[in-house]
Amino acid sequence: QKEVEQDPGPLSVPEGAIVSLNCTYSNSAFQYFMWYRQYSRKGPELLMYTYSSGNKEDGRFTAQVDKSSKYISLFIRDSQPSDSATYLCAMSEYNTGRRALTFGSGTRLQVQP
Amino acid sequence: NAGVTQTPKFQVLKTGQSMTLQCAQDMNHEYMSWYRQDPGMGLRLIHYSVGAGITDQGEVPNGYNVSRSTTEDFPLRLLSAAPSQTSVYFCASSSGIWEKLFFGSGTQLSVL
Repeated sequence: QKEVEQDPGPLSVPEGAIVSLNCTYSNSAFQYFMWYRQYSRKGPELLMYTYSSGNKEDGRFTAQVDKSSKYISLFIRDSQPSDSATYLCAMSEYNTGRRALTFGSGTRLQVQP
Repeated sequence: NAGVTQTPKFQVLKTGQSMTLQCAQDMNHEYMSWYRQDPGMGLRLIHYSVGAGITDQGEVPNGYNVSRSTTEDFPLRLLSAAPSQTSVYFCASSSGIWEKLFFGSGTQLSVL
């Protein structure tokens, strides 16, 4: 079983829709939670970064962490065609011997104009 | 500001050949790492470095070597290429292990 599970999609939505992207994980030691966006043939870029449980909002994007359920979400409001990309969740332990991020496999999002 | 620069962008190798993927960053980051990205597998860590002269293995290190002689450069060497190493390789850097990762644009490698 993978430590981080993410539905690969593709997820196709009309422009203006609210998008919900999700990841589940099994390692209770994960403390930092991130969302990266990756356009085709490009490297990932950090979109959102949260520590522990709760919500964080940045413009049209909201990241939500529920550590009790081992479940994280990224919500995109008023989605735009420019949001079409692959979204990768990533997680890390903190202050342990494990010095790396664990990535989900990514969800491909298509926003139709 | 160039950020993280990877070369080459594309490479085709024959089984058994060796090559070096180059990575350079101009942000004075101490932490650098190499990932490979395969369909359905996400990004998997190959090797990482927390500073010049210090490297360590990640999740999938077999068949790869790294060294870190300067803060700026972190090359990845394939010793004897195998078809299983066909992948997209990303170099990344950050100011600390748990800080924001900046990725290069990737190297698409095919081993025939």
